[in-house]
Amino acid sequence: QSALTQPPSASGSPGQSVTISCTGTSNDVGGYNYVSWYQQHPGKAPKLIIYEVTKRPSGVPDRFSGSTSGNTASLTVSGLQAEDEADYYCSSYSGSRNGGFFGTGTRVTVL
Amino acid sequence: QVQLLQSGGEVKKPGASVKVSCQASGYTFTSKAISWVRQAPGQGLEWMGWISTNNGNTNYGQNFQGRVTMTTDTSTSTAYMELRSLRFDDTAVYYCVRGSFAGNGAFDLWGQGTLVTVSS
Repeated sequence: QSALTQPPSASGSPGQSVTISCTGTSNDVGGYNYVSWYQQHPGKAPKLIIYEVTKRPSGVPDRFSGSTSGNTASLTVSGLQAEDEADYYCSSYSGSRNGGFFGTGTRVTVL
Repeated sequence: QVQLLQSGGEVKKPGASVKVSCQASGYTFTSKAISWVRQAPGQGLEWMGWISTNNGNTNYGQNFQGRVTMTTDTSTSTAYMELRSLRFDDTAVYYCVRGSFAGNGAFDLWGQGTLVTVSS
């Protein structure tokens, strides 16, 4: 496995919610509480929005929330706003690699 | 201001080496590891490895072992990433980031990125 699996795209109207999945294995997502999520706008560096599965860094709106179930992590963006249109990446520590890796990325479109 | 400031873009020929620098400011450099992440044009993020800013210990991703070297200079709060035997598919934006998968895996501060172009 070279990357965590995410859907290529997701979309929602302003005010709605969108949930992005991130599927790994018991050696990464399912085995450790070290899942993070990043938001990347075009031409910009990624920004940390969720770490340790559910925690939000200071300044990140509580519209962003994270969870896990088995080998799948999820990011939910509630109350979608135009500024939420971006690429989103998950990442996880991997015990089998003694390192980690990123998800394939999901482009969120606000309709 | 808390930031990671990276060196400028590079154009290299296949087979050459490139060394990217990353200077930290606004926080204690040795308080957190530095990792390197790259992103090929139109592609996703790829973790390359990390270096402890305390003792210089490194952990390189499988795809880069034998070809990458990460170092630090604590006197100038600067981290370096050297990639050798460059190939066309090494063309990417290279980011230094604060944090490592050996910690909680949260990369909470990113450099602005350095575009490395491999072209003949």
